[in-house]
Amino acid sequence: AQRVTQPEKLLSVFKGAPVELKCNYSYSGSPELFWYVQYSRQRLQLLLRHISRESIKGFTADLNKGETSFHLKKPFAQEEDSAMYYCALSQRAGTALIFGKGTTLSVSS
Amino acid sequence: KAGVTQTPRYLIKTRGQQVTLSCSPISGHRSVSWYQQTPGQGLQFLFEYFSETQRNKGNFPGRFSGRQFSNSRSEMNVSTLELGDSALYLCASARDGLTGELFFGEGSRLTVL
Repeated sequence: AQRVTQPEKLLSVFKGAPVELKCNYSYSGSPELFWYVQYSRQRLQLLLRHISRESIKGFTADLNKGETSFHLKKPFAQEEDSAMYYCALSQRAGTALIFGKGTTLSVSS
Repeated sequence: KAGVTQTPRYLIKTRGQQVTLSCSPISGHRSVSWYQQTPGQGLQFLFEYFSETQRNKGNFPGRFSGRQFSNSRSEMNVSTLELGDSALYLCASARDGLTGELFFGEGSRLTVL
């Protein structure tokens, strides 16, 4: 069955420290993977897509098909990065996404 | 441009009742999808509509239904409410729905007593 796993419910780091939010997936086809973010009192929004291969707000994510992972990384965390992060997988054409349970990132000074 | 608008934002119902939630997508977006968010199960896909046709459907019972109108606005209905239907229902719109790039509304929080 298709599944997205985010093993950490909470990740706490200090400002300036590197961040890695883990995401593992199980999927039988060619997946499209995404990271969505929800800042406090804001809507859930797209952060980045694996096919774009771009860096957004300093975050990058590489799809590793061998390890079935799509970890989100940032070399130097900022306090404004504190938010809930969701990894998601697109299982077919359209907008039917499978979401992980989410990881709360807390960045403190 | 205006974002995705969902109404009502909060509502309380009792078991056995039915509820209708409404979603107005971003102008020009033709795809509307619905998700249920609960603390235990997280975000789960309910269904997607594109050009008034249901294109995808999640693993929910038939009590959950939806529709889309010619102006792309969408409604979802839950009949014979159960306590476990208490959740935040999120609507998301997309331009063509061919990718997973979704624009979410703030949600409708349903409490079933």
